[in-house]
Amino acid sequence: SAVISQKPSRDICQRGTSLTIQCQVDSQVTMMFWYRQQPGQSLTLIATANQGSEATYESGFVIDKFPISRPNLTFSTLTVSNMSPEDSSIYLCSAMEKSGANVLTFGAGSRLTVL
Amino acid sequence: QKEVEQNSGPLSVPEGAIASLNCTYSDRGSQSFFWYRQYSGKSPELIMFIYSNGDKEDGRFTAQLNKASQYVSLLIRDSQPSDSATYLCAVNRYNFNKFYFGSGTKLNVKP
Repeated sequence: SAVISQKPSRDICQRGTSLTIQCQVDSQVTMMFWYRQQPGQSLTLIATANQGSEATYESGFVIDKFPISRPNLTFSTLTVSNMSPEDSSIYLCSAMEKSGANVLTFGAGSRLTVL
Repeated sequence: QKEVEQNSGPLSVPEGAIASLNCTYSDRGSQSFFWYRQYSGKSPELIMFIYSNGDKEDGRFTAQLNKASQYVSLLIRDSQPSDSATYLCAVNRYNFNKFYFGSGTKLNVKP
């Protein structure tokens, strides 16, 4: 299965700042997604990262707050903008591979703490 | 109504016992079903997926699917302390390419 690298793995940020998380996959994948997992909670889909076009956001998530890029089949970024303590969470990049079963593989996650 | 529902647990079983984890889903159009294991502080890792009604076995793990009842389960035989984790159920519709996750069931296997 695909190997997904995410960075940073963790960061402590100040309120009002923005942080960009990078996601690199070691093989071509059809779909890339960004999830959020708040403490003790399950995964919430933020958006589908579309290659070369605007991401598709889920209800409750907007581009101004979570701009996403996907310039090619193997790389995507998620920016968390104008952060507040409520944005403290684990952000997970995931990908669905081009061949085989439609399964999701996850990166190790980026744990953000906003002070 | 949530797309995917799981009992949050914790489910406690003794070492060597069978652990049974259950999941229901609301969308009858769901076509593929997944079980992920998530250790504390780690990201989810795929255990099994199932597409067809019935059972699918992989080592100590058996996934069971009943589309008529909209029910998926995961059985873990000969449970080990290393199986202690949160188990997430996920469903997918091919045409939407979205994966919906349940809230997870925390499993504790006691030595």
